[in-house]
Amino acid sequence: AQSVTQPDIHITVSEGASLELRCNYSYGATPYLFWYVQSPGQGLQLLLKYFSGDTLVQGIKGFEAEFKRSQSSFNLRKPSVHWSDAAEYFCAVGGSGTYKYIFGTGTRLKVLA
Amino acid sequence: SQTIHQWPATLVQPVGSPLSLECTVEGTSNPNLYWYRQAAGRGLQLLFYSVGIGQISSEVPQNLSASRPQDRQFILSSKKLLLSDSGFYLCAWSAHRGQYGEQFFGPGTRLTVL
Repeated sequence: AQSVTQPDIHITVSEGASLELRCNYSYGATPYLFWYVQSPGQGLQLLLKYFSGDTLVQGIKGFEAEFKRSQSSFNLRKPSVHWSDAAEYFCAVGGSGTYKYIFGTGTRLKVLA
Repeated sequence: SQTIHQWPATLVQPVGSPLSLECTVEGTSNPNLYWYRQAAGRGLQLLFYSVGIGQISSEVPQNLSASRPQDRQFILSSKKLLLSDSGFYLCAWSAHRGQYGEQFFGPGTRLTVL
């Protein structure tokens, strides 16, 4: 079955600390992978995407993610978190020939001053 | 550049009343369009998607329906709202011939059914 798992519902980090949000997927075909961020009461903004090629992808706002096929993972990282990064983060998987994504249930990030 | 609009931004409706949420996209033609619902503390549930005018695919049997009367307009409706219809409704679009199908989301509509 196709699925996306974000095992951490909530994560709290101090401002300036590093961050890693986990995402594991199960997908029968070559996956296209995405990370979105959602501020409270807002829509989702695309942070970064992976389709093929270099497994380390750079996104907006200083985020990066690494695709590891052997581990079926696409973890999101940031070396130094800012208070404005507090939001909910969603991982999603899609594939060639499909119009539909499968979303994870999200990880809510809290940043301590 | 492309933009996506949703209205209203917030809506409070009584149980049993009708519903109409509208989504429009500017700056692109023949987009794929999507309606999602996001319940509190949960992820995104795909409700409907459309690859062209009059073409609607339903993902989850429920109290809602969708229509696409124009190329860049997508409407979510209900004849009689239920309490369980409360949530945050998001519209999204992707390029019809986009190779990778990345989706872009609107600002959302917060629906509260009382």
